[in-house]
Amino acid sequence: DQQVKQNSPSLSVQEGRISILNCDYTNSMFDYFLWYKKYPAEGPTFLISISSIKDKNEDGRFTVFLNKSAKHLSLHIVPSQPGDSAVYFCAARTGANNLFFGTGTRLTVIP
Amino acid sequence: SAVISQKPSRDICQRGTSLTIQCQVDSQVTMMFWYRQQPGQSLTLIATANQGSEATYESGFVIDKFPISRPNLTFSTLTVSNMSPEDSSIYLCSVAGTSGSYEQYFGPGTRLTVT
Repeated sequence: DQQVKQNSPSLSVQEGRISILNCDYTNSMFDYFLWYKKYPAEGPTFLISISSIKDKNEDGRFTVFLNKSAKHLSLHIVPSQPGDSAVYFCAARTGANNLFFGTGTRLTVIP
Repeated sequence: SAVISQKPSRDICQRGTSLTIQCQVDSQVTMMFWYRQQPGQSLTLIATANQGSEATYESGFVIDKFPISRPNLTFSTLTVSNMSPEDSSIYLCSVAGTSGSYEQYFGPGTRLTVT
């Protein structure tokens, strides 16, 4: 049972435009959400997170939005750069140490 | 964040054999985690390893298949035993972030192919 879902396996965006990556979850007990970026042959790299008590968190070009009523979060990257091309995973935790991951979205930023 | 290394980075193994994956951290950490990412799938937690105690396994994973050692605060091993092609995956170790944060930081992974 996939508790965290990323329904778009891939996304292509022009350099300088906004990239929006989406994630849906089913478990209302999730209290913390994270985004990771993964380059080929490397482990996932932590990018940004948000607590369930917030609806927005911003860090430079990256902003995460959380809509608890819709059980939906999104990652916005503005402006997108070619170096942002990677696979992006969203993850969620319930209060224990287990992170539940989505299947990832491959972002390609076209120069 | 901690610097994490894994050995080997990749391996091709025959079915029925076992492989031990090493994870080394550049600082002392209380909790280490082992994940698996099967082809086209998400990362799934195998077990949590605390120094000085038995690893805690998630549903669907057992100690006989994935024995884990945690001899000190900077090192852990995961063994994939009696391998079958279904064990072909990327295996990753991770550590928790600083106290009070919930992030986990990952090693580069070990890509295992079982033939």
